[in-house]
Amino acid sequence: DQQVKQNSPSLSVQEGRISILNCDYTNSMFDYFLWYKKYPAEGPTFLISISSIKDKNEDGRFTVFLNKSAKHLSLHIVPSQPGDSAVYFCAAQRRGIGPYKLSFGAGTTVTVRA
Amino acid sequence: EPEVTQTPSHQVTQMGQEVILRCVPISNHLYFYWYRQILGQKVEFLVSFYNNEISEKSEIFDDQFSVERPDGSNFTLKIRSTKLEDSAMYFCASENLQWRDTQYFGPGTRLTVL
Repeated sequence: DQQVKQNSPSLSVQEGRISILNCDYTNSMFDYFLWYKKYPAEGPTFLISISSIKDKNEDGRFTVFLNKSAKHLSLHIVPSQPGDSAVYFCAAQRRGIGPYKLSFGAGTTVTVRA
Repeated sequence: EPEVTQTPSHQVTQMGQEVILRCVPISNHLYFYWYRQILGQKVEFLVSFYNNEISEKSEIFDDQFSVERPDGSNFTLKIRSTKLEDSAMYFCASENLQWRDTQYFGPGTRLTVL
């Protein structure tokens, strides 16, 4: 399943600077996009989401941007903090009635340097 | 804050044995999911479940797999005859029927097949 791609396996950023994580998708039926954060030995934790009718959603230090024409979304974390060091997964969903599966990207490991 | 719980945290089994992975979803959620993550690979959808029926299943979810909601709180994944390639982290997730904000994941069960 290559419908959701995160092409950067890792990202290292200085504390206080911006982290930018990218994600591309191929399925034009996706209409809802989510970012999850995952620490070792834990399940994915929801971070932020965006509907396809919007191009930006902001929640505190986290902002997700969606470019539907390019089938691309990005997550900005400003400022980056040491506790942000984790694996970040982009996920996409086709919503409607009933349960709909999440299609995940491969993840980007973020390391925030002090 | 309500959480999805999973037991056991780690299960070691011999190839060919049956295993049952258990999940307790968040109490007012009615959509349930199983995902798995083989080491170094993506999180992959296995199955979704609603109203005591499978809503969707992936190609991975073959006849060796089954799911059940035996009572009002538990949601189980059974693998009848485990294979070496079933070794993975298995995540249960649940979702609110009304507030479709996100799927909430449990901490996972690490299954090791020897």
